[in-house]
Amino acid sequence: QSVLTQPPSVSGAPGQRVTISCTGSSSNIGAGHDVHWYQHLPGTAPKLLIFGNNNRPSGVPDRFSGSKSGTSASLAISGLQAEDEADYYCQSYDISLSGFVFGTGTKVTVL
Amino acid sequence: QVQLVQSGAEVKKPGASVKVSCKASGYTFTSYYMHWVRQAPGQGLEWMGIINPDDGSTRYAQKLQGRVTVTKDTSTSTVYMQLSSLRSEDTAVYYCARGEEVFARDWGQGTLVTVSS
Repeated sequence: QSVLTQPPSVSGAPGQRVTISCTGSSSNIGAGHDVHWYQHLPGTAPKLLIFGNNNRPSGVPDRFSGSKSGTSASLAISGLQAEDEADYYCQSYDISLSGFVFGTGTKVTVL
Repeated sequence: QVQLVQSGAEVKKPGASVKVSCKASGYTFTSYYMHWVRQAPGQGLEWMGIINPDDGSTRYAQKLQGRVTVTKDTSTSTVYMQLSSLRSEDTAVYYCARGEEVFARDWGQGTLVTVSS
């Protein structure tokens, strides 16, 4: 079972802004470990969207942004586009598990 | 460009073992960690383990300790993930992913492992 909790789904119309929350605990996000975000389209390899809480790899549009506060983090997608329809996962490090942990995943639907 | 090419799909019986390979190219093999992540049907991503190709050190998810082994062959820039005592719950797509110790940058195409009697 995942130790990082995300909403199962979020949706928005094209052009709108949506946010995805990622709630952890004092053994992962709250312990100061960075949060990273991945986009996953079924049948394809996941893609790194945000690393180190709020950094975008080259090639990722600035419509995607990340933030972290306390034991939680968020991914925001502004100017929502049809191509953004995918599953999104947060990821951090957990001290008690001594390893990577992924969030439960959020399906983004563009209405 | 960075490429991670994984071996093909496998069908195994319960109790058997599977070994999936991940051949890396386009970067210095020993300069980046390699993670293994899996996704069971209808489920989310699950981290399995990590290897430092420079010194061969490994760490595994507690849930899989004792059943998973990650190794590397520096001469061919290939990382291997072996999972033993397979159960139906191990049916999943398995990914290798190059990255830092704490996150993954580039991912392989995935390998479907089906465990069925």
